[in-house]
Amino acid sequence: DTGVSQDPRHKITKRGQNVTFRCDPISEHNRLYWYRQTLGQGPEFLTYFQNEAQLEKSRLLSDRFSAERPKGSFSTLEIQRTEQGDSAMYLCASSLVLQISQETQYFGPGTRLLVL
Amino acid sequence: AQSVTQLDSHVSVSEGTPVLLRCNYSSSYSPSLFWYVQHPNKGLQLLLKYTSAATLVKGINGFEAEFKKSETSFHLTKPSAHMSDAAEYFCVVSDHSTGFQKLVFGTGTRLLVSP
Repeated sequence: DTGVSQDPRHKITKRGQNVTFRCDPISEHNRLYWYRQTLGQGPEFLTYFQNEAQLEKSRLLSDRFSAERPKGSFSTLEIQRTEQGDSAMYLCASSLVLQISQETQYFGPGTRLLVL
Repeated sequence: AQSVTQLDSHVSVSEGTPVLLRCNYSSSYSPSLFWYVQHPNKGLQLLLKYTSAATLVKGINGFEAEFKKSETSFHLTKPSAHMSDAAEYFCVVSDHSTGFQKLVFGTGTRLLVSP
């Protein structure tokens, strides 16, 4: 399977713990996005990378959140000192941008986080 | 700012009958519009997209959508529903004024298909 993959698929943690999620984009895709989806809502943009550079962060991304994309390949999203409000599905998407108007984002299956 | 409104949170149809999922958008710029589908425990899959070419867009699995600028609408249709179409559908708007494709999702419409 050459689609976007995410690991783990499910994570249960206690409030105050740190968690880290991983996203592996489609090979050679130069852009990578993170979204958060809470129950009954559509996904909301968190941040994106162009190769290894993080170029935009949403106001939803508090100081407890950090994302990296070393070497422009896989990406990690870390949440420190988790809170119950962090419980959500975290989605990753990647794209190959040749012409911005033709960009298509391909989504992974997501990581479902439950903070107790 | 861009936004989309999905007018129905749930739509129920019988197998073999037409499907209509409604979406209205708001955008200050020439928008790109998308429909994505989300099946349980699976990632979002792109059904179709509009990027200022033909106003009637054909997608996968027999779905199509028509861009109507005068009505700021982008409704999704399918002539005949199949049981496998049962899923959550998201209407999405994006503009590139930010320099990247920031997708703004609607709240979703759950399509229920009965035998």
